Amino acid sequence: QKEVEQNSGPLSVPEGAIASLNCTYSDRVSQSFFWYRQYSGKSPELIMSIYSNGDKEDGRFTAQLNKASQYVSLLIRDSQPSDSATYLCAVDGTALIFGKGTTLSVSS
Amino acid sequence: DGGITQSPKYLFRKEGQNVTLSCEQNLNHDAMYWYRQDPGQGLRLIYYSQIVNDFQKGDIAEGYSVSREKKESFPLTVTSAQKNPTAFYLCASSPGTSYYEQYFGPGTRLTVT
Repeated sequence: QKEVEQNSGPLSVPEGAIASLNCTYSDRVSQSFFWYRQYSGKSPELIMSIYSNGDKEDGRFTAQLNKASQYVSLLIRDSQPSDSATYLCAVDGTALIFGKGTTLSVSS
Repeated sequence: DGGITQSPKYLFRKEGQNVTLSCEQNLNHDAMYWYRQDPGQGLRLIYYSQIVNDFQKGDIAEGYSVSREKKESFPLTVTSAQKNPTAFYLCASSPGTSYYEQYFGPGTRLTVT
């Protein structure tokens, strides 16, 4: 069975720092990778998708994919208190396969 | 304004009662999904549907039922056979299955006492 692993955290960073969130997946043939942000009590919101090895940047967010190592990460530059949330990594399947999420706390 | 709607936002029921959660999308997406989220458990797939009049069980389908009579609608019924129905229920849709991103509705928080 396909698995997606994330460190549950919490990951605590000061305001303005870089937050690094990591995810590993078990199925070597996975093709599509997604990061979702979920605020407490709310539904997940798609923030990044990545399909090819390397980096993809969108504003303060950078997704990094290394298929050989079966590893995908999300970097958040200039972290803000509003970034405090749980970040879910998801990998393709008939339905997306989600990790349990990493909780990020950004202190001001 | 395209999106996914779920109603109601909060739902309270007595044990032994069936309850139906609504999910509607106007994104013209083919695929729709139901997930359950419990604290510390992540998202668990209940049912999904790739086309109208067809659906498949997910990882935790016991005690739940669905229908897909229209492309836009994918209601979930939580039956009295579900042992622990209290949870946050999330509906999602995607343009297709496999490789596509999913978009979530706002969720329904069900409490059964």
